[in-house]
Amino acid sequence: DTAVSQTPKYLVTQMGNDKSIKCEQNLGHDTMYWYKQDSKKFLKIMFSYNNKELIINETVPNRFSPKSPDKAHLNLHINSLELGDSAVYFCASSQDWAQQETQYFGPGTRLLVL
Amino acid sequence: GQQVMQIPQYQHVQEGEDFTTYCNSSTTLSNIQWYKQRPGGHPVFLIQLVKSGEVKKQKRLTFQFGEAKKNSSLHITATQTTDVGTYFCAGLRGAQKLVFGQGTRLTINP
Repeated sequence: DTAVSQTPKYLVTQMGNDKSIKCEQNLGHDTMYWYKQDSKKFLKIMFSYNNKELIINETVPNRFSPKSPDKAHLNLHINSLELGDSAVYFCASSQDWAQQETQYFGPGTRLLVL
Repeated sequence: GQQVMQIPQYQHVQEGEDFTTYCNSSTTLSNIQWYKQRPGGHPVFLIQLVKSGEVKKQKRLTFQFGEAKKNSSLHITATQTTDVGTYFCAGLRGAQKLVFGQGTRLTINP
């Protein structure tokens, strides 16, 4: 069974559209994250949630809105997509916020904005 | 803010040669983690170092955490084609976010 899953795996869309990416973890972890990896492979954290509560919001444009309906899910909605949003988005989870030990990454969602 | 610098950015070696990537932080870290990302894949946890001066080994991989807990290195002995990928260090300071280095992309000539 996949520990951290993301859908969709690939997303190609037009500039100005709104899209969502979903993430689910079956590890029983309390903390979930969204990372953005650009074309230069730089991994940058966007958001972190602990037990459904927002812990980190790394000056991400407010076009990006995360939502955590329960601690096993963390979805990412993006409004008015821009060319610069093209990247790979990784969801990850860890046991809890205080320890922040091993982070388990999902397979990634490759977003291309045309 | 907390910076984690990783060098080199790219490294190309002949199969069988050794490889080392270095990670430096501007602040003292509570722990440092290493991840490997295969081409087209996602980051996968390799190891975590917590103690000052700690050295850990995983087969041909040797991880070190500096005495001041500001730097770390990953050394691979006798590289194999399966070692290809990008290696990331990630530093944690206190109860704050994990900050990833820029990664070192390793390519290997068989």
